[in-house]
Amino acid sequence: GQQLNQSPQSMFIQEGEDVSMNCTSSSIFNTWLWYKQDPGEGPVLLIALYKAGELTSNGRLTAQFGITRKDSFLNISASIPSDVGIYFCAGNRDDKIIFGKGTRLHILP
Amino acid sequence: DVKVTQSSRYLVKRTGEKVFLECVQDMDHENMFWYRQDPGLGLRLIYFSYDVKMKEKGDIPEGYSVSREKKERFSLILESASTNQTSMYLCASRRTGVVPQHFGDGTRLSIL
Repeated sequence: GQQLNQSPQSMFIQEGEDVSMNCTSSSIFNTWLWYKQDPGEGPVLLIALYKAGELTSNGRLTAQFGITRKDSFLNISASIPSDVGIYFCAGNRDDKIIFGKGTRLHILP
Repeated sequence: DVKVTQSSRYLVKRTGEKVFLECVQDMDHENMFWYRQDPGLGLRLIYFSYDVKMKEKGDIPEGYSVSREKKERFSLILESASTNQTSMYLCASRRTGVVPQHFGDGTRLSIL
């Protein structure tokens, strides 16, 4: 079946550093999505990407829809303590949403 | 702001019990979703509803059923709970479309 490979599984970074994570697949997707889940809460939709090559920002977050339509990345600039959480990518193909397994972000003081 | 409310944050039940998980949204959304979240597996869709009394199976519907008698409420039912249904259950809604947009805070269900 279709799978999304999300990497890295976890990251430990210093406050103030930039962060980069990505999602790849062997299948083409029509939409890429990025969610964040804070501890003890449900996921929140951060960014939705609808076109190959699209680059979209939401504050310090920037995400891109890969040209091949098989990948996407999320960057966070100048990380702060509230960026801690699990980031999920998801892809939409034929009205079926597939989630990645998440990247857990830890920020060291 | 859209609010998706799940009736319980934590629930402990016994094997074989019938379990009801309730979800209510307050923004008149057509579409509602039930996911389960397990470590290392991400989110997996159990059922999806696109209107009152309408439902579609997701990726892992076995052992579950759903009920949508009113637009704002989507219930997940475990007919006879088993230990492999111990998980975090997340409800979501969206006005239209298949992308879950607004999630509840989840119900952590333990089956003993």
